[in-house]
Amino acid sequence: SQKIEQNSEALNIQEGKTATLTCNYTNYSPAYLQWYRQDPGRGPVFLLLIRENEKEKRKERLKVTFDTTLKQSLFHITASQPADSATYLCALNSGYALNFGKGTSLLVTP
Amino acid sequence: GAVVSQHPSWVICKSGTSVKIECRSLDFQATTMFWYRQFPKQSLMLMATSNEGSKATYEQGVEKDKFLINHASLTLSTLTVTSAHPEDSSFYICSARPTRGLNTEAFFGQGTRLTVV
Repeated sequence: SQKIEQNSEALNIQEGKTATLTCNYTNYSPAYLQWYRQDPGRGPVFLLLIRENEKEKRKERLKVTFDTTLKQSLFHITASQPADSATYLCALNSGYALNFGKGTSLLVTP
Repeated sequence: GAVVSQHPSWVICKSGTSVKIECRSLDFQATTMFWYRQFPKQSLMLMATSNEGSKATYEQGVEKDKFLINHASLTLSTLTVTSAHPEDSSFYICSARPTRGLNTEAFFGQGTRLTVV
């Protein structure tokens, strides 16, 4: 069956450091992979989309990599800030809908 | 960006009653909307795909007679939880994509916290 796996343990880092989150998938052949941010009690918010032929995508302090051989995406937040504290979700298409990983909770402390 | 509005944000209902949740696309037309359910510390689970003017497509294990979906216009989809029970208590979220295509982002409503007592 299709699976999207994210490190379920919370990631605690100090302000200013780089946070790296991992998304692994099985039984998908995705042309695109997306990352979303979800705050408690809120719906997810889109952050980045990366295509299968793109190894890396950047947006301000965010960077995403996509390795279709390893079936893995890495999500980096550089110069992290307390306001970056949230749950980050990896998503892949299943037909026209999106399937999500469980998400990784990030806590950035001052 | 596009806006998807969901109402209500939270609702408490008695066991056995029905609850309706509305999802509106405010600045775009959505022929397709998606309904998800999320339990604490869990992933968003796709419940159904709502299609304007036609029947919804339900994911395996989701009871279509319990979770009624109506998508009567290009900007409104509703989810009705019928004969709600405490195990239906969850966070329900709707989603839509303004532009057709797999390489497009999805926009989400604020979510509805349903508590059945």
